[in-house]
Amino acid sequence: AQSVSQHNHHVILSEAASLELGCNYSYGGTVNLFWYVQYPGQHLQLLLKYFSGDPLVKGIKGFEAEFIKSKFSFNLRKPSVQWSDTAEYFCAVNNNFNKFYFGSGTKLNVKP
Amino acid sequence: DAGITQSPRYKITETGRQVTLMCHQTWSHSYMFWYRQDLGHGLRLIYYSAAADITDKGEVPDGYVVSRSKTENFPLTLESATRSQTSVYFCASSETSQPQHFGDGTRLSIL
Repeated sequence: AQSVSQHNHHVILSEAASLELGCNYSYGGTVNLFWYVQYPGQHLQLLLKYFSGDPLVKGIKGFEAEFIKSKFSFNLRKPSVQWSDTAEYFCAVNNNFNKFYFGSGTKLNVKP
Repeated sequence: DAGITQSPRYKITETGRQVTLMCHQTWSHSYMFWYRQDLGHGLRLIYYSAAADITDKGEVPDGYVVSRSKTENFPLTLESATRSQTSVYFCASSETSQPQHFGDGTRLSIL
């Protein structure tokens, strides 16, 4: 069965630290990959997405993610986090059967 | 205003009661989705709809019923609520099968 794994459930960083959140998926066919962010008390927003082409995807607010097909991974990165990046981050995968799956989320706390 | 609206925002009810959560979008998006968000599980798809009168099960459909008689509305009904259905419910809409716009959520508590 299709699954999406986010192994880091809770990450605490200081401002200006670099961020990398892991995301692995299990589906072997063609996939589209997404990262969503949920700021405290708000709804989910799309951060970035990968459909095809350059495996390094740039998103909003300085985030980027790299698709590594051989590792079934789509890790999210940001070189220097800010306090305003405190949020929960969800990886998601869409396979070619039009099923869409979310990971369990990673809570990021950035200390000022 | 254009957007996606969920109602109610908060609901407390008792086991065995029927509860309907409403979702309305103003974009005429084809796709609409219902997710539940629980600690340790992230978002799990309950049902989705690709168009009016077309609905399909997601990962966790048991205990839920949906309908889509009009493109803009996608109500979710718990026919006989159970404590395990205590959760935060999010509706979403999109022009594609990838959910793009999410509502603010309904926090449902079942006592």
